[in-house]
Amino acid sequence: DAKTTQPPSMDCAEGRAANLPCNHSTISGNEYVYWYRQIHSQGPQYIIHGLKNNETNEMASLIITEDRKSSTLILPHATLRDTAVYYCIVRVSQAGTALIFGKGTTLSVSS
Amino acid sequence: GAVVSQHPSWVICKSGTSVKIECRSLDFQATTMFWYRQFPKQSLMLMATSNEGSKATYEQGVEKDKFLINHASLTLSTLTVTSAHPEDSSFYICSASHPVGGYEQYFGPGTRLTVT
Repeated sequence: DAKTTQPPSMDCAEGRAANLPCNHSTISGNEYVYWYRQIHSQGPQYIIHGLKNNETNEMASLIITEDRKSSTLILPHATLRDTAVYYCIVRVSQAGTALIFGKGTTLSVSS
Repeated sequence: GAVVSQHPSWVICKSGTSVKIECRSLDFQATTMFWYRQFPKQSLMLMATSNEGSKATYEQGVEKDKFLINHASLTLSTLTVTSAHPEDSSFYICSASHPVGGYEQYFGPGTRLTVT
């Protein structure tokens, strides 16, 4: 069973920030929040992950609520190439632990 | 860095034949690799976990005698679909667990298998 809940789809205008929410109310203390995206007919791409602090890299920012029950992935300036399915996944950070994918959010960026 | 390749990128085979798909981590060593399958308009489904030098662990409902996995080195895992049938047609994706940092999984580009 999926441990996360995401809206099935979202729209965003090119150049605007895309804020993708994720609920993970049953997250355990040792589980991280990972975000991946999959562009059509390609393998998933790692975006970012975090435990409890907010994180930022060259692709996105991850905001995790203080109670860790939800998070938001922020793409600061969405482009058409950001159109993809975005997956929020909770997982312990161990070598042999697989990512289990839910249905994700289909983000459509339009001009 | 953290590049994973797959070969072939697409393959068409006849029903009853076997097909081998290779997954390589190009710039890091991966003790653990994973194999997923994805049907059209569906999410990725984990098939098995592959550990270097040991037998793979298959998810419930995945036939281990049909989907043979070999992880002979720290940079190569192979998936062989034996006696393929049209219902095995799918997008097969591998990933490798990076040993440094948060054990992020890096994915290959996928292999499109069509069985006729």
